[in-house]
Amino acid sequence: QSALTQTASVSGSPGQSITISCTGTSSDVGAYNYVSWYQQHPGKAPKVMIYDVNNRPSGVSNRFSGSKSGNTASLTISGLLPEDEGDYYCSSFTSHNTWVFGGGTKLTVL
Amino acid sequence: QIQLVQSGGEVTKPGASVKVSCKASGYTFTNYGISWVRQAPGQGLEWIGWINGYNGVTKYPQNLQDRVIMTMDTSRSTAYMELRSLRSDDTAVYYCARDPDKTSRFDPWGQGTQVIVSS
Repeated sequence: QSALTQTASVSGSPGQSITISCTGTSSDVGAYNYVSWYQQHPGKAPKVMIYDVNNRPSGVSNRFSGSKSGNTASLTISGLLPEDEGDYYCSSFTSHNTWVFGGGTKLTVL
Repeated sequence: QIQLVQSGGEVTKPGASVKVSCKASGYTFTNYGISWVRQAPGQGLEWIGWINGYNGVTKYPQNLQDRVIMTMDTSRSTAYMELRSLRSDDTAVYYCARDPDKTSRFDPWGQGTQVIVSS
């Protein structure tokens, strides 16, 4: 199972919006609405920001939103804040009944 | 609060085995599965398996199914991940995460266990 494809890095200024994409196949992202996004700060465990494509856990800012079209899922962060800086990973369920992660995207808030 | 607490870091040699524990609290252990994820130094996340907290059924990725074994002790609300025939590229931080059925929400995660494989 190959990793999902994410852009290696993205940057934005405070207040701006950015979008991170996650491309899979018709056997994972395209097949199920089981796509999630995780934020990870250095030395910390990942934290779920979006699950099941576009659901936000309680406590996660509504500046974070998710969507999916075909084999590509997207995470949008609006009104960027300095604390949004970190690594972001997408994940999807697969037709093999396994989970696969993306390679990660490093977000820099300029 | 819902929490997963993992065992401490390990330094071990190539060819040996390591067993990491993940103790759950704050919820009914048998109502959820546990997934394990690892992260090699400077690398991304890799899913390495899942155990059903109710019946112990497991699922592993093909690249690890010959070396990884996941077990649990429901009386202790604890899941275990054992990796055998260790190699240097198994050096990573190993995380457990609560994995509900019918959703992609891995939440919460354990604090991580550093495993170093070195001769």
